[in-house]
Amino acid sequence: NFMLTQPHSVSESPGKTVSISCTRSSGSVAGNYVQWYQQRPGTAPTTVIYENHRRPSGVPDRFSGSIDGSSNSASLTISGLKTEDEADYYCQSYDSSSYVFGTGTKVSVL
Amino acid sequence: QVQLVESGGGVVQPGGSLILSCAVSGFSLSTYGMHWVRQAPGKGLEWVAVISYEGSKKYYAESVKGRFTISRDLSKNSLYLQLNSLKTEDTAVYFCASGGTFNFWGQGTMVTVSS
Repeated sequence: NFMLTQPHSVSESPGKTVSISCTRSSGSVAGNYVQWYQQRPGTAPTTVIYENHRRPSGVPDRFSGSIDGSSNSASLTISGLKTEDEADYYCQSYDSSSYVFGTGTKVSVL
Repeated sequence: QVQLVESGGGVVQPGGSLILSCAVSGFSLSTYGMHWVRQAPGKGLEWVAVISYEGSKKYYAESVKGRFTISRDLSKNSLYLQLNSLKTEDTAVYFCASGGTFNFWGQGTMVTVSS
């Protein structure tokens, strides 16, 4: 099976932009959709990006997703950082009926 | 309004069994595939199992294959996870989630495996 590797943590000041990478170990990142989930402490995850770049209703357009075949990775970008964006973020994809979550990234808003 | 409510968690000894339930409202289980996902204390998310929308296909993570069984009851619009031969490393919050893109999640139920 494959793995999705994310940086352990990123931090930035309010109003700035952060990007979180999600690198797929084997198979093509373009072959299956990538989703991104936000999880605040003690709560269930919620979807912020699905199908690589689509936003569910209610998710602000400060959140954007993309994939890069050359690096076999996906990225979540959060612009205009707010303190409420402080949370853990997980990427997720699948292959051959097996679903995989990324290792998770803690976003701190300083 | 979509709602997923898990129940059935608790403390169980190694080797024991437990059945988790996920009561769904706002859509029919025959419409979407359903997943179980777990999160060990202080750790990341781990996919556990999925049942297809038609109910005929079931897939499991290698870590639980042969020990856990996913099922559903359309008359109760509920999803289940039978946990057998439990190990200490199965200790986690167990979430149910809907659809191929995990678009809705329950609040989770805690399972603690300890002697």
